[in-house]
Parts: sequence; C-alpha cells; structure tokens
Amino acid sequence: GAVVSQHPSRVICKSGTSVKIECRSLDFQATTMFWYRQFPKKSLMLMATSNEGSKATYEQGVEKDKFLINHASLTLSTLTVTSAHPEDSSFYICSATGTGQETQYFGPGTRLLVL
Amino acid sequence: GEDVEQSLFLSVREGDSSVINCTYTDSSSTYLYWYKQEPGAGLQLLTYIFSNMDMKQDQRLTVLLNKKDKHLSLRIADTQTGDSAIYFCAEASSGYSTLTFGKGTMLLVSP
Repeated sequence: GAVVSQHPSRVICKSGTSVKIECRSLDFQATTMFWYRQFPKKSLMLMATSNEGSKATYEQGVEKDKFLINHASLTLSTLTVTSAHPEDSSFYICSATGTGQETQYFGPGTRLLVL
Repeated sequence: GEDVEQSLFLSVREGDSSVINCTYTDSSSTYLYWYKQEPGAGLQLLTYIFSNMDMKQDQRLTVLLNKKDKHLSLRIADTQTGDSAIYFCAEASSGYSTLTFGKGTMLLVSP
C-alpha cells in the first residue's frame, strides 16, 4: 500500500512555457501533499505543503506565483511551473500522507528540463 | 533551524556490512527515517524508528538510535550491489509533519 505516482516522469519544454506536474495517491486519501525540489547531488528542498481544499503553504524563498500548487481532491495535487526558465530545470518530487499514515510516501519524481 | 548531518560517501565490498551514520539536532524529534534513492528515482522508505526505541531490525536492516547523543545509524548486513544508492536520513516531530533531510550518503557496493 501507500503508492504515490507522478506524471510525467520527464518533460522538456521551451523557456517561457508552463508545465504541469501531477501527483496522485493511488491507494489512500492524501490529506496533505508536499512538493520538493532536488538539485544534483543535493538533498531535497521542501517547496510547499498543501492540505486538501486549502491554499498551499510555501517555504521561504519559493515564489508562489511561479510555482502554482493545487490540491483539489484527496488523491491529486498539481504543481504548475509558470513561465519556466532554464534555472527551473530540476528534479521535482512530491510526497503524500494521510490519516493513520506513519510518514510521507514519495512519488518517483519528475525530471524537468527547460531549454 | 533544525539540522541533519550525514557522511557523504561510503564504499564497501559485496557481502560486507555497511553502516551509515546520521546526527540530528532537534531534541523534539519523534520519528526518524531512512530512505533509499536509486538514480533518477524518487525516495523509497526503508525503515523508521520511534524516538522511544533504541533498535529496530527488519531483515538485513538494523537501525540503532542513541537519543542522548542524537545519533542514528543504519546497518545493512550482507550488502549487495543492488544496495548501491543514496541513503537519506530524515527526522520529524510527528509522523506526517515536515521532514528534515540530511544531504544523503552515497553507498557504492563493489563486487
């Protein structure tokens, strides 16, 4: 149990376009979802925390107008990178947790490359 | 803020035991976790331990916790080449609250 999926697994886009990444909890209700960014050979950096039906809480230094997060249902959260630029290229990982879960369960990640 | 430290690299031979160490600063940590990340993949939860436990064993994995010294270790017995990955230590003050990660230890297992 506790499976989290992400789609797409990798995406290449042109600078200035927007990209949407989906995170789904497949077998449990995710009351809280987290979005992380991971740079090469670095740890995970928490970008934002979202509770179902509420606005996301962004970490300091993360632009909420650039990284739009929606958590409209108990099984789906989306991260939209708006007007993407090459410096947004990274590995984005989501995680999810819910009532009775003992930890966050992570998705497989999405590799974003902005040309 | 709270901090989690790990050594960055460990190299062992196949069949040996691997010990990955982690220290943390948050005295209110309740849950401590070990995650495994293979290249290009997300994080896989390996095991976790509650702060009121000293040890937890799960097949080839043994977690030791010294709460006084805020030191956590992960021992992998009979290490295999498939164990080569990055291992992250993480702590949280409750089961699903914000996780604080270490920078990860790259484990390289040679034949």
